[in-house]
Amino acid sequence: AQSVSQHNHHVILSEAASLELGCNYSYGGTVNLFWYVQYPGQHLQLLLKYFSGDPLVKGIKGFEAEFIKSKFSFNLRKPSVQWSDTAEYFCAVNAGNNDMRFGAGTRLTVKP
Amino acid sequence: KAGVTQTPRYLIKTRGQQVTLSCSPISGHRSVSWYQQTPGQGLQFLFEYFSETQRNKGNFPGRFSGRQFSNSRSEMNVSTLELGDSALYLCASSLGAGGEHGYTFGSGTRLTVV
Repeated sequence: AQSVSQHNHHVILSEAASLELGCNYSYGGTVNLFWYVQYPGQHLQLLLKYFSGDPLVKGIKGFEAEFIKSKFSFNLRKPSVQWSDTAEYFCAVNAGNNDMRFGAGTRLTVKP
Repeated sequence: KAGVTQTPRYLIKTRGQQVTLSCSPISGHRSVSWYQQTPGQGLQFLFEYFSETQRNKGNFPGRFSGRQFSNSRSEMNVSTLELGDSALYLCASSLGAGGEHGYTFGSGTRLTVV
């Protein structure tokens, strides 16, 4: 069955540290990949998406993600996090059956 | 354009009762998907409606049902509520089926079953 795995449940960083959140999926066909963010008390928002082309995609607020097809991965990165990046991050995959499946989420806490 | 509107924002129900949640998608969006969000479980897919038809359904019991109206507004119903149904229920709107190009989410309805 199609699944999405996020390796870290809770990540704690200091401001200016670099961030990488892992995401792996299990589906062998064509996929559309997404990262969503949920800031405290707010609704889920789209951070970035990959459909095709350059496997390195850039999103809002300095985030980027790299699609590595051979590893079935779509990791989220940011070179230098800010306190305002404290949020929960969800990886999502839309696979051939056009269902959007989400990972369990990674909670990021950035210490000022 | 207006975002995705979910009503009510909060609900408290007792076990055994039933509840109806409502979602108005972005104007022009024909797909509405429902998710259950609980701590540690992420978002669990409930079902999707597209042009008034249920396109897909997740692994939830038959107590969970939904429908979509001709104006694309959608409702979901949970009957015979259980304590484990306490969660944030999210509605996601998309232009095409399955959120293929991404979703716009509502703020959710937080259901507490006591």
